[in-house]
Amino acid sequence: NAGVTQTPKFQVLKTGQSMTLQCAQDMNHEYMSWYRQDPGMGLRLIHYSVGAGITDQGEVPNGYNVSRSTTEDFPLRLLSAAPSQTSVYFCASSYSSDRGWEQYFGPGTRLTVT
Amino acid sequence: AQSVAQPEDQVNVAEGNPLTVKCTYSVSGNPYLFWYVQYPNRGLQFLLKYITGDNLVKGSYGFEAEFNKSQTSFHLKKPSALVSDSALYFCAVRGGFNKFYFGSGTKLNVKP
Repeated sequence: NAGVTQTPKFQVLKTGQSMTLQCAQDMNHEYMSWYRQDPGMGLRLIHYSVGAGITDQGEVPNGYNVSRSTTEDFPLRLLSAAPSQTSVYFCASSYSSDRGWEQYFGPGTRLTVT
Repeated sequence: AQSVAQPEDQVNVAEGNPLTVKCTYSVSGNPYLFWYVQYPNRGLQFLLKYITGDNLVKGSYGFEAEFNKSQTSFHLKKPSALVSDSALYFCAVRGGFNKFYFGSGTKLNVKP
């Protein structure tokens, strides 16, 4: 059981380039989310999904797209990278049980846009 | 709107002393609160959560948190700090469906 995995670990992009950050989970969780972490700002929600085929915007969705074709995968696409998107990106999966919500985070992708 | 605030960017404590990391929240309805810890170059790890019930919640690694409704606070505590507790700590509140809102984080430094 690998939990939540993210690739790549590190990435450098030039302004205007596009790329996809990969996220996968093997816990069969319905809910998945993408966050970005910036110094002094904590984690901010970019997009989230409540199941395959269903996604919605979080606090800071501009410049990012997501899709959820399977339960396991939730890729994040940067359409045209900008220096303001330099950040650490975390994917998370979560579920609700009789003990409440549990959320599990991946190890993160550190992205630099020059 | 749901939000949490962590008023201290950094907390310094000597090993063996008690520690407190502060968090206040603003929610509509009943709060659903979490604490996470992040070690360098790692993802966030769950420590504990409050749903309902006892105001003192016990979690991983000897941490506990005290929920105070009148003060809208959810402070993280540990009776005796370890150097290995040094990390970044985040308070979070669950907002809408699968939406979690995080505080800005507090860096805990435990000195030998």
